[in-house]
Amino acid sequence: EADIYQTPRYLVIGTGKKITLECSQTMGHDKMYWYQQDPGMELHLIHYSYGVNSTEKGDLSSESTVSRIRTEHFPLTLESARPSHTSQYLCASSEASGNYNEQFFGPGTRLTVL
Amino acid sequence: GQQLNQSPQSMFIQEGEDVSMNCTSSSIFNTWLWYKQDPGEGPVLLIALYKAGELTSNGRLTAQFGITRKDSFLNISASIPSDVGIYFCAGSTSGTYKYIFGTGTRLKVLA
Repeated sequence: EADIYQTPRYLVIGTGKKITLECSQTMGHDKMYWYQQDPGMELHLIHYSYGVNSTEKGDLSSESTVSRIRTEHFPLTLESARPSHTSQYLCASSEASGNYNEQFFGPGTRLTVL
Repeated sequence: GQQLNQSPQSMFIQEGEDVSMNCTSSSIFNTWLWYKQDPGEGPVLLIALYKAGELTSNGRLTAQFGITRKDSFLNISASIPSDVGIYFCAGSTSGTYKYIFGTGTRLKVLA
C-alpha cells in the first residue's frame, strides 16, 4: 500500500494569487510526478523528478514550477493563478529499476481559480 | 504527442456480467499498468504487466500484455456495483520511467 499525501484536497482562490500544492511520500521513492487531469479525462504529465535536485517538464506545458529539495517532498507552485489553471492535480511516486516501475498516486488536489 | 486509445469509452452493464476493455498504441511499450479511479480520488493501481504475452490476475480482474507489445486488455468477471469508475491504462517505453495514460473507460454497473 502506497503512502502518498497531498494537501490541500480542495482549494478555491482568486485570480493572481500564488499557491503551492504539497505532495509528500513516506516510501523513500526516488521518482515523483505531477499530473494534471480535467474531470473524467485522461492524465497529462506536467512535471517529474528522478531524484533530489532533479526536475524536468512533462509532456503537457504548464506554467507551474516544482522543486525537489528532499526525497519525500515534491511541491508544485503557481506564481499567479488564473481560471485556466482550474483542474485536478495528482501527485505520484515510484521506485523504479529496470522494467519495474509501479506508480502510486495521492488523492489529488482539486483547484478552482475564480 | 503519443496517445493511448482505450475502448470502449464508456459502458453500462448489468451486475454479474463480465466486462472487457482494451488499450491500443502505435508505439511499443515494455510496461503496462491498469488503474481504477473513483470520482474525486487519485487512481488506484490494479495490475502491472512487464512481459509480452503475460497474463496476470488480481481477484476478479485479469489483464494481459499483448504479444505485439502495442496493446493490453483488462477483464472484470462477475461485475458488482463497486466496480463503477473510470479505468485507465498506462504504458511506458523502455529506458524511461514516464507513463502515457489512456483516454479511460467509464464503467457503470446496473444493479
